[in-house]
Amino acid sequence: GAVVSQHPSWVICKSGTSVKIECRSLDFQATTMFWYRQFPKQSLMLMATSNEGSKATYEQGVEKDKFLINHASLTLSTLTVTSAHPEDSSFYICSARDFAGTLSYEQYFGPGTRLTVT
Amino acid sequence: AQTVTQSQPEMSVQEAETVTLSCTYDTSESDYYLFWYKQPPSRQMILVIRQEAYKQQNATENRFSVNFQKAAKSFSLKISDSQLGDAAMYFCAYRSLVQGGKLIFGQGTELSVKP
Repeated sequence: GAVVSQHPSWVICKSGTSVKIECRSLDFQATTMFWYRQFPKQSLMLMATSNEGSKATYEQGVEKDKFLINHASLTLSTLTVTSAHPEDSSFYICSARDFAGTLSYEQYFGPGTRLTVT
Repeated sequence: AQTVTQSQPEMSVQEAETVTLSCTYDTSESDYYLFWYKQPPSRQMILVIRQEAYKQQNATENRFSVNFQKAAKSFSLKISDSQLGDAAMYFCAYRSLVQGGKLIFGQGTELSVKP
């Protein structure tokens, strides 16, 4: 099956700094990528959807200036948490789809990144 | 807007026994996809099974099968011959064929398997 990687798997940063998380599709071209946030014992919350070469579409309540998403190529999307604060500590998961249309049902998930802000 | 509800926060099953996880959803659409995902302690999301709404036949993948009741908007997952490796969080998810096809997840059910 298709593989999605994330880097880093775990990052600790100081309050007020920015941190970038990379999401790569290793063996397919991801026209659409999704970023989720997950708190312990809770479900995945969609933060934003990005299409290659376009601006990301953010879900209601997600600060676009705080969570910067770039999908500059068909195999790479990045999430930058700017001016991170302890409340941003969470598990971030990216997911990729290899076809922009509605006919493709498969969505592949990365292994996630644990962010801890001290 | 579509919603997905999993009313069982936790479930437990004896090894080799059968367990059923419940999921209901709400939608006004006639065609869509439904999924069950497994999230083990590693937190890697794993697709367990999928169902296309237009198909009347229930999907089956080895020990995993679903009971899809479209009129009742119910989509339960049955795990037969439960194994210790089945212990995980299980998420039911809905995907529309329009509106960008975002996955909408239920709250999750934590399944424990007793040896």
